[in-house]
Amino acid sequence: KQEVTQIPAALSVPEGENLVLNCSFTDSAIYNLQWFRQDPGKGLTSLLLIQSSQREQTSGRLNASLDKSSGRSTLYIAASQPGDSATYLCAVTGGKLIFGQGTELSVKP
Amino acid sequence: EPEVTQTPSHQVTQMGQEVILRCVPISNHLYFYWYRQILGQKVEFLVSFYNNEISEKSEIFDDQFSVERPDGSNFTLKIRSTKLEDSAMYFCASYRLASSYNEQFFGPGTRLTVL
Repeated sequence: KQEVTQIPAALSVPEGENLVLNCSFTDSAIYNLQWFRQDPGKGLTSLLLIQSSQREQTSGRLNASLDKSSGRSTLYIAASQPGDSATYLCAVTGGKLIFGQGTELSVKP
Repeated sequence: EPEVTQTPSHQVTQMGQEVILRCVPISNHLYFYWYRQILGQKVEFLVSFYNNEISEKSEIFDDQFSVERPDGSNFTLKIRSTKLEDSAMYFCASYRLASSYNEQFFGPGTRLTVL
């Protein structure tokens, strides 16, 4: 049974810092891995999708990497801003999405 | 830009009542999902729907739950007799094709509160 874990559960950084969020999964037979952002009480906004054949994807200040063999993905956020404060979720898919519990990020001005 | 919409945004109901949560997926999408998120917990898969039938369901999706695509645009989740533990945020999601790039797009969610 696929399990997705995210570390750390919470992270607080000063504005401008670069940071890395971690996601690990137990079964490497995934189709894609998707990173989402969730603001408090709100829906899920898709940030990046990495296909299983890819190693990374970039969008603006965000870069996501995928290492299927080790069951890991990272989300790198460059030059963090207070507006980046949210919960970041990773999810693996072979159809349905299986989510991690998220990392709650707080960027202090 | 096309988006998934959900109504209502918040539903309050009494235990034992029936509720219907509504979703309008992106118009050219073919695969539809319901997920739920109990406060403070992970987002959990409930059910997937394709070609007018359920393609997969989780253990949570018992006989109290049903889904329907009553017309070409709406996708509904019905809970027949709500329980306190059904209180959660319910998300609808959709994607277009079964391809290697099946990015799922989520609606804003319906917060269900069962009293």
